[in-house]
Amino acid sequence: QKEVEQDPGPLSVPEGAIVSLNCTYSNSAFQYFMWYRQYSRKGPELLMYTYSSGNKEDGRFTAQVDKSSKYISLFIRDSQPSDSATYLCAMNTGGFKTIFGAGTRLFVKA
Amino acid sequence: DAGITQSPRHKVTETGTPVTLRCHQTENHRYMYWYRQDPGHGLRLIHYSYGVKDTDKGEVSDGYSVSRSKTEDFLLTLESATSSQTSVYFCAISEGRGVPETQYFGPGTRLLVL
Repeated sequence: QKEVEQDPGPLSVPEGAIVSLNCTYSNSAFQYFMWYRQYSRKGPELLMYTYSSGNKEDGRFTAQVDKSSKYISLFIRDSQPSDSATYLCAMNTGGFKTIFGAGTRLFVKA
Repeated sequence: DAGITQSPRHKVTETGTPVTLRCHQTENHRYMYWYRQDPGHGLRLIHYSYGVKDTDKGEVSDGYSVSRSKTEDFLLTLESATSSQTSVYFCAISEGRGVPETQYFGPGTRLLVL
C-alpha cells in the first residue's frame, strides 16, 4: 500500500464549478500537508500548505485536513481554464523528506 | 523556476550507456533533491544532498549515483541506462531551515532510453 493515495483522474469540469481534489494517507506521523500545482511540461510549484488538522484559505483555494480520517482535500472555487493542471498532494513529518501523491489531472472547460 | 536550471532538457540515449544530468541553483540553498516522475507513481525521490559532499539515498536509488562538489551543482548519473529509467527527472532545492521544507522544482529533464 502506498503511503499516499491520490486519484489520477482526469477530472473535467465546466468553468465556474467548484472542484474537490482529495488524498488519503496511511502514516499518522505526517504533520504537514501540501498541495503542488504542475502545469504541462513544467516543474511542480507549491500552492499552499497546512499544519495538522483544519482549514486554510487562500483566495479561491481552500485546503482541508482531517487527521482522524487521514484525508486531505483541496477545493477550488469559481474554477478557471487557467486552473487546468495536475495537482499533487504532498506530506511531510516535519523534516526534509516529502512524500508525494501521484497527482490528479484537472481540466476546466471554458 | 526559482533560480534552478537543469541540463540537458531532453535526452535520448541507448541502453547500457552512462548518462549524467545536471542541476544548477543560484539560491544558495542547502538541500538538493533528484526525483523521477512517472505516470501512476507521482514524484519519487532518487537521492538527496544536505550539503557539499553529503548525499543519501531515496526510495528508488538503484542504478543511480549522485555527486555534489559545489553548493550550486548536483549531478545525477545513470551508471548504465536501462529502458526502465525512461522518465522525467526533476531537481528540487530547499533552504534547510524551514518546517516544513518548502521545495522548489526545476523545469525537468525528459530522458528516453532506447
